[in-house]
Amino acid sequence: GAVVSQHPSWVICKSGTSVKIECRSLDFQATTMFWYRQFPKQSLMLMATSNEGSKATYEQGVEKDKFLINHASLTLSTLTVTSAHPEDSSFYICSAARLAGGRSYNEQFFGPGTRLTVL
Amino acid sequence: KQEVTQIPAALSVPEGENLVLNCSFTDSAIYNLQWFRQDPGKGLTSLLLIQSSQREQTSGRLNASLDKSSGRSTLYIAASQPGDSATYLCAVLGSGNTPLVFGKGTRLSVIA
Repeated sequence: GAVVSQHPSWVICKSGTSVKIECRSLDFQATTMFWYRQFPKQSLMLMATSNEGSKATYEQGVEKDKFLINHASLTLSTLTVTSAHPEDSSFYICSAARLAGGRSYNEQFFGPGTRLTVL
Repeated sequence: KQEVTQIPAALSVPEGENLVLNCSFTDSAIYNLQWFRQDPGKGLTSLLLIQSSQREQTSGRLNASLDKSSGRSTLYIAASQPGDSATYLCAVLGSGNTPLVFGKGTRLSVIA
């Protein structure tokens, strides 16, 4: 159980276009989803936290108008990179968490990641 | 703000050696600590999760320990194999509703 999928697994786009990445929890309801980005040989950096039905909370330095996050259902969150530029090229990983033990979550389950390359 | 540090940043060992990866964190008020494995260009694979009330967890050749009061965890890999080559990430979940905070990882190479 606790499987999280991401689509697409990789995408190449032209500078100035928008790209949407989907994150789905396949066998549980995810009350909270997280989006991370990872540059080569770097660790994961949290971009934003989203709770179903409410606006995402962005980390300092992350442009909310550039990285649009929607968490419209308990099994789906999307990240849209708007007007993508080469510096947005990165590995984007989502994770999903569920209610457990009186906390909003106690374990995050990670998707396989999406490799974005902006030409 | 929680900070997670992993030492060493990279490690190369011959096949068969036992090895230890280290992780330290600045805020001991954690809910749990998790070790992940990441292969190049891939997502994360959860290896071991230790609750704050636990001292260690074991899975096969892997053993993770936790000393919450001193802010330290170690991942012990016994009889290393070339297939163990990957980046190992340590991550801490805070006692409040805060997301995982990751270390920068240790890149392990096991040479046949």
